Amino acid sequence: QSVLTQPPSTSGTPGQRVTISCSGDSSNIGSTTVNWYQQLPGAAPKLIIYNNHLRPSGIPDRFSASKSGASASLAISGLQSEDAADYYCAAWTDSLHAFYVFGTGTTVTVL
Amino acid sequence: EVQLVESGGGLVQAGGSLRLSCTASGFIVSTQQMNWVRQAPGKGLEWVSVHYTGGTTFYTDSVKGRFTISRDNSKNTVYLQMTSLSAEDTAVYYCALSPDYYYFAMGVWGQGTTVTVFS
Repeated sequence: QSVLTQPPSTSGTPGQRVTISCSGDSSNIGSTTVNWYQQLPGAAPKLIIYNNHLRPSGIPDRFSASKSGASASLAISGLQSEDAADYYCAAWTDSLHAFYVFGTGTTVTVL
Repeated sequence: EVQLVESGGGLVQAGGSLRLSCTASGFIVSTQQMNWVRQAPGKGLEWVSVHYTGGTTFYTDSVKGRFTISRDNSKNTVYLQMTSLSAEDTAVYYCALSPDYYYFAMGVWGQGTTVTVFS
């Protein structure tokens, strides 16, 4: 049902760099800003990127993000065990059906 | 400290109603954009509703006509009134604040409250 498509999973060893893609269209990512959320097992989601590439206070600079056209990506550099979580992209949309859409979610596994 | 605490979840029979509460501290709800987001068991996040500061509200299609978001400024609380519940509404419901300093991203979340609809 989500209109933002992410890969179901990705993995890496400690210290590696992993990237997560997020594909939308002109009604969402293509016309507004992208946010990224991290959800640790059993916890509430947490904002880690807003306005395409900005990090809230306290979020390590290992997390970076970018947007191009109707797609976005999140990169985690220097992967750490505590980064194992689900990651969701999200964006406000001009759709009449849902004003905010989340991506399908990507599970990051630290090997 | 900015904090959100949800309550009101529980077991409810299909067709029944439930009202969720989101009590805020550290800020005034009437001055902020507030959202409800849900997550069905083992599934991803789904935005449910938003209450803008001016009072305008919006809903995702699947809950239109059944759910109502509102706020009580005197209690600094946002509510989600849910009616005609079905099994598809079973989820953890989160309240989330979208402050302007985060360009209206959902920067603060509550711990969630669980709603289980049985038949």
